[in-house]
Amino acid sequence: GNSVTQMEGPVTLSEEAFLTINCTYTATGYPSLFWYVQYPGEGLQLLLKATKADDKGSNKGFEATYRKETTSFHLEKGSVQVSDSAVYFCALRGDTNAGKSTFGDGTTLTVKP
Amino acid sequence: DTAVSQTPKYLVTQMGNDKSIKCEQNLGHDTMYWYKQDSKKFLKIMFSYNNKELIINETVPNRFSPKSPDKAHLNLHINSLELGDSAVYFCASSQKGSAFFGQGTRLTVV
Repeated sequence: GNSVTQMEGPVTLSEEAFLTINCTYTATGYPSLFWYVQYPGEGLQLLLKATKADDKGSNKGFEATYRKETTSFHLEKGSVQVSDSAVYFCALRGDTNAGKSTFGDGTTLTVKP
Repeated sequence: DTAVSQTPKYLVTQMGNDKSIKCEQNLGHDTMYWYKQDSKKFLKIMFSYNNKELIINETVPNRFSPKSPDKAHLNLHINSLELGDSAVYFCASSQKGSAFFGQGTRLTVV
C-alpha cells in the first residue's frame, strides 16, 4: 500500500534559518503529493502541492519539488519566521484510489526569535 | 464563509455516554472524511464517504457510526465512549485533489 515517511521532529530553528523537512513516499502509479500545515489549535490547511514528476509546488516562501527518481518531496524555506511555527504534514493521494490520502506522522517546527 | 465546519469545537463527556459530532461542507465536494488525531499529532483516517456512500472504513470500532444524510454532511456518532477515544476529530472534504479540513472537535472522555 501507499505510505509516507517524514522527518521526525521536533525541529527547533532560529528566525531566518534555512528549513528542510524531508519526506519520502512509497506508492504505485503516479500519486499527487502535498504539504499541509497545522497551526496551533487549528485544522490542517493545504500549503502546497505537486501533481506530477519534476513539478515544484510553492507558497508563502515554502517550496517542494516532486522527485520521482528519489520518491521524495522535501519541504524547504530559505528564511523561517516565528509565525511558521506549526506542525507540517506530508501527504500523497494515489491515482488508483482517488478517495484516500495517506499522511505522514507530522513534523513539529518551532521557530525562536 | 467557512468551507468545512464541524460542531462542537470542544466536547467533554463521561465514559459510557453516546455523543455526536456534526460536519458540513459548502464546497460542493463529493468526498468527505473523518480523521482522528492523537496527542502526538498522528493523523489517522477513520471513514470516507463519496456521494453519501461509504468507501473507506479503516478498522474503526463499530461504536463509531458515520452518517451522511446528503453529500454536504457527514456526521459521526460514537456510542459507549471510552477513555481512549479522547482525541481531536477532524472532518474534511475533497474533490479529486487536496483536502479541506474543519477546525476539529476536541473530545475529552473523563
